[in-house]
Amino acid sequence: AQRVTQPEKLLSVFKGAPVELKCNYSYSGSPELFWYVQYSRQRLQLLLRHISRESIKGFTADLNKGETSFHLKKPFAQEEDSAMYYCALSEGNTPLVFGKGTRLSVIA
Amino acid sequence: DADVTQTPRNRITKTGKRIMLECSQTKGHDRMYWYRQDPGLGLRLIYYSFDVKDINKGEISDGYSVSRQAQAKFSLSLESAIPNQTALYFCATSAESTDTQYFGPGTRLTVL
Repeated sequence: AQRVTQPEKLLSVFKGAPVELKCNYSYSGSPELFWYVQYSRQRLQLLLRHISRESIKGFTADLNKGETSFHLKKPFAQEEDSAMYYCALSEGNTPLVFGKGTRLSVIA
Repeated sequence: DADVTQTPRNRITKTGKRIMLECSQTKGHDRMYWYRQDPGLGLRLIYYSFDVKDINKGEISDGYSVSRQAQAKFSLSLESAIPNQTALYFCATSAESTDTQYFGPGTRLTVL
């Protein structure tokens, strides 16, 4: 069973519209969750992690333990946000488990 | 992040050939990982190493082997390449499992 689920393979939004990339996880312990981003022709890089509770490039993500979700949100999408986004889960002393990714396309 | 490098960046090979992908890092991290990325399948873990003497299989280790030559070097080998191993391969490092992973630029491998 998937431990990290990203239900949308592709999400298209217009510039200036709100964005929400969904991520649900399955883990009974205290999870640590991350969002990684891969821009075109670039390597994957960390976007944000829930324990830091910070906003990066206007993106935020809140851990909802009741709904086991860690959705990534941005109020106003920009064209430069177009990229592949991966949600990842840390279950302790084991490697990160990645979701299958969501490709965000921001249309001008 | 130039601290994690991979060679070669692109490789085309034929079925049955042995091939090695190399990863080097200057971040001083103990933990290193190999992933493959396929469209629609995301990132899947092939092997990982928590220190020089530690090697562990990941989700999809069949057909692959690894060598951790030093703290800074972690190589992935395909002993007899097959077409369904055509993919983008990423190396990554981290200080701890719960810490940020730093990725290399990737190696695009095509097996004909």
